[in-house]
Amino acid sequence: KNQVEQSPQSLIILEGKNCTLQCNYTVSPFSNLRWYKQDTGRGPVSLTIMTFSENTKSNGRYTATLDADTKQSSLHITASQLSDSASYICVVSAGQFYFGTGTSLTVIP
Amino acid sequence: DTAVSQTPKYLVTQMGNDKSIKCEQNLGHDTMYWYKQDSKKFLKIMFSYNNKELIINETVPNRFSPKSPDKAHLNLHINSLELGDSAVYFCASSHGGRSTDTQYFGPGTRLTVL
Repeated sequence: KNQVEQSPQSLIILEGKNCTLQCNYTVSPFSNLRWYKQDTGRGPVSLTIMTFSENTKSNGRYTATLDADTKQSSLHITASQLSDSASYICVVSAGQFYFGTGTSLTVIP
Repeated sequence: DTAVSQTPKYLVTQMGNDKSIKCEQNLGHDTMYWYKQDSKKFLKIMFSYNNKELIINETVPNRFSPKSPDKAHLNLHINSLELGDSAVYFCASSHGGRSTDTQYFGPGTRLTVL
């Protein structure tokens, strides 16, 4: 069964700290993996996209990694800011889109 | 300028009613989408549409129907609303229909069915 699972479900960190969010998938055949950031009350915004041949992609303080062999991806946030508080959604594409349930990140001062 | 806009932002209605949500994009994109996000924040694609092809998620009830008067608009019509239809509905658009094309989402419409 094609699934995308994210962990942790929620996370609270202090401003300025780093954190890593995980995404494991069983989707096949794999096309690409995208990370979205969704602020409360708003639509998702794309952060990064990686195809099979890419194993890392950065967007400012956000760095995504992909291990297509183990079917795992991570999103690393460096020097977190209060504005990073949001839900982060992992989406795997394989002809159709498979969405993870998201990680809710709260950054506190 | 708002790239992808939706109206209304909030919609409260009774069971059994018929309602529509409008979506407009000014990005010149060829493909538009409708998503449903439930109370657990789980996003599910409902439709993808360009001027040539409508792709329907087979799990979507036929009470839901997209209508596209032109390339910049994709409206969502819902007939005989049910309690389970309560959710946030997002419209999105992309330049093409490939999975690698970045989708730009609207702000969402929160539908509450009483």
